[in-house]
Amino acid sequence: SAVISQKPSRDICQRGTSLTIQCQVDSQVTMMFWYRQQPGQSLTLIATANQGSEATYESGFVIDKFPISRPNLTFSTLTVSNMSPEDSSIYLCSAMGGGGTQYFGPGTRLTVL
Amino acid sequence: ELKVEQNPLFLSMQEGKNYTIYCNYSTTSDRLYWYRQDPGKSLESLFVLLSNGAVKQEGRLMASLDTKARLSTLHITAAVHDLSATYFCAVTGGNAGGTSYGKLTFGQGTILTVHP
Repeated sequence: SAVISQKPSRDICQRGTSLTIQCQVDSQVTMMFWYRQQPGQSLTLIATANQGSEATYESGFVIDKFPISRPNLTFSTLTVSNMSPEDSSIYLCSAMGGGGTQYFGPGTRLTVL
Repeated sequence: ELKVEQNPLFLSMQEGKNYTIYCNYSTTSDRLYWYRQDPGKSLESLFVLLSNGAVKQEGRLMASLDTKARLSTLHITAAVHDLSATYFCAVTGGNAGGTSYGKLTFGQGTILTVHP
């Protein structure tokens, strides 16, 4: 199994600022993803973090708002840019391990004032 | 577009009773996942179901998959309070090597409360 850590675990930010979330996996994985969970809602895929190339974004999410980096097979970052209160959510990274299981990080709880 | 629907969305159970959560999905998928989420916590992987007729059991939880009906069930046997949580099913829309591989579409979640 893969163990995933995220930093920060939570943050309170002001409108118009940006926050970068880090995701570290304890082993090399081919696929990493970023999800958003809005309050009381299910999870929605933001993008696939591709190693060495640009991330692949889902409908409704754009690179200017959610730039993603993935410099190697164990690490990725998601930036939430020019934040508004509507961005208040839990952001989770996931990684696909052996056997097709997807593991999730502990999440970053973001509150935008 | 792949859609995943769970029912019920809210489930209040008495301890010791049995119940089933249903997960329907709209298009062909090669794997189905069940996760548990406790309040304020991340997702805990419960089961990965890979083929038609697959059945997996862990403790009081048993999951099954019928790919022809595009239906998975999560059966709870003799519920206990510790099972209180939100349960999500999720489906990946593609096969290995495809553009949708690994991308999970989640159901709405079922909030399970087990009371004495």
